[in-house]
Amino acid sequence: QKEVEQNSGPLSVPEGAIASLNCTYSDRGSQSFFWYRQYSGKSPELIMFIYSNGDKEDGRFTAQLNKASQYVSLLIRDSQPSDSATYLCAVNSGGYQKVTFGIGTKLQVIP
Amino acid sequence: SAVISQKPSRDICQRGTSLTIQCQVDSQVTMMFWYRQQPGQSLTLIATANQGSEATYESGFVIDKFPISRPNLTFSTLTVSNMSPEDSSIYLCSVEGTVEDTQYFGPGTRLTVL
Repeated sequence: QKEVEQNSGPLSVPEGAIASLNCTYSDRGSQSFFWYRQYSGKSPELIMFIYSNGDKEDGRFTAQLNKASQYVSLLIRDSQPSDSATYLCAVNSGGYQKVTFGIGTKLQVIP
Repeated sequence: SAVISQKPSRDICQRGTSLTIQCQVDSQVTMMFWYRQQPGQSLTLIATANQGSEATYESGFVIDKFPISRPNLTFSTLTVSNMSPEDSSIYLCSVEGTVEDTQYFGPGTRLTVL
């Protein structure tokens, strides 16, 4: 069973702080990793993807990947109340569009 | 990005009945996907639907319970058959995204079974 583990939270951070969201996966052969954001009552939307070890930055978002530790994280700098949402980690588990989702971490940014 | 609509957006159904959920995309797509998202659980793939072929079901999901149609490249339906309260969930359809292995999701159908 290929698994993607996330702490369900909630993770509470003050406005302006850095939010750090973490995810571990079980399949050492996984090659592609994704972060989706899901606002309450809405559907998931892709915000970041990463394929190689290291960091990938896009605006206030940074995805970090460490394949040796089977660990992927999402950093949100200068957190805003509008970032309050559930963040889903997703990992390709072998084959085209074979993606396993984590349970998601609920982030609360406190004004 | 694709624009996806689903009908109904929500429904309350009685045990033992069936509900068909429709998914419409504004462009032609090869693969469409149906997911279930239950409270406190991860997004779980039910099946993949390609036009012109039988849907491919994931472990734990069967065609008799979740029959799927895919009559053309812009439309699909998922039926939840002989429903029980355990089927209460959000059902989402999705299509391939522009980045490999990513997906665009529809707005979802919130189903409550009494």
